[in-house]
Amino acid sequence: NAGVTQTPKFRVLKTGQSMTLLCAQDMNHEYMYWYRQDPGMGLRLIHYSVGEGTTAKGEVPDGYNVSRLKKQNFLLGLESAAPSQTSVYFCASSYLRWTGENTEAFFGQGTRLTVV
Amino acid sequence: DAKTTQPPSMDCAEGRAANLPCNHSTISGNEYVYWYRQIHSQGPQYIIHGLKNNETNEMASLIITEDRKSSTLILPHATLRDTAVYYCIVREGHNAGNMLTFGGGTRLMVKP
Repeated sequence: NAGVTQTPKFRVLKTGQSMTLLCAQDMNHEYMYWYRQDPGMGLRLIHYSVGEGTTAKGEVPDGYNVSRLKKQNFLLGLESAAPSQTSVYFCASSYLRWTGENTEAFFGQGTRLTVV
Repeated sequence: DAKTTQPPSMDCAEGRAANLPCNHSTISGNEYVYWYRQIHSQGPQYIIHGLKNNETNEMASLIITEDRKSSTLILPHATLRDTAVYYCIVREGHNAGNMLTFGGGTRLMVKP
């Protein structure tokens, strides 16, 4: 049981390049999230998904797209990278208990992205 | 905007209890208080959560005031490995897909 795994762990992009970050979870969780964290700041939500085939915008969605084609995977895409997107990206997942209560979220170890 | 207020930093002596306060004066009846911590830019780690009763687990205790407008996370015997940023978050408990909103947190420094 690996939990939440992010790929890659590090990446350097040139301005204008595109890339996809992969988040995979093996806990059969319904809900998945992408956050970014800038130096000295808290995490900010980019996009999230409440189930396979569904996505929604978070607090800072501009410049990013996401897809949830399979329940276990949540992809974050940058179509044309900008220096302002230099950040650490975290993925998380959670689920609802049978009581309807949200569980705690489980986080991956992050992807450090630098756009030059 | 984050719904919580925390001091930006605190120090604690190793082996002593660390008491981290959090104000959440606008918390609503169906919102839980969650605590996470982030050690040296790793992914945030869940610690504990509660609705209105005090809670304890193997990591920490959570004390919530009777009016639920504030809470305190207690690490009973802090170690150097507890040095981290601690986030207090209020979150609706039963809304599908409800996400966590992070504020600035409290940077706890445990000193020898």
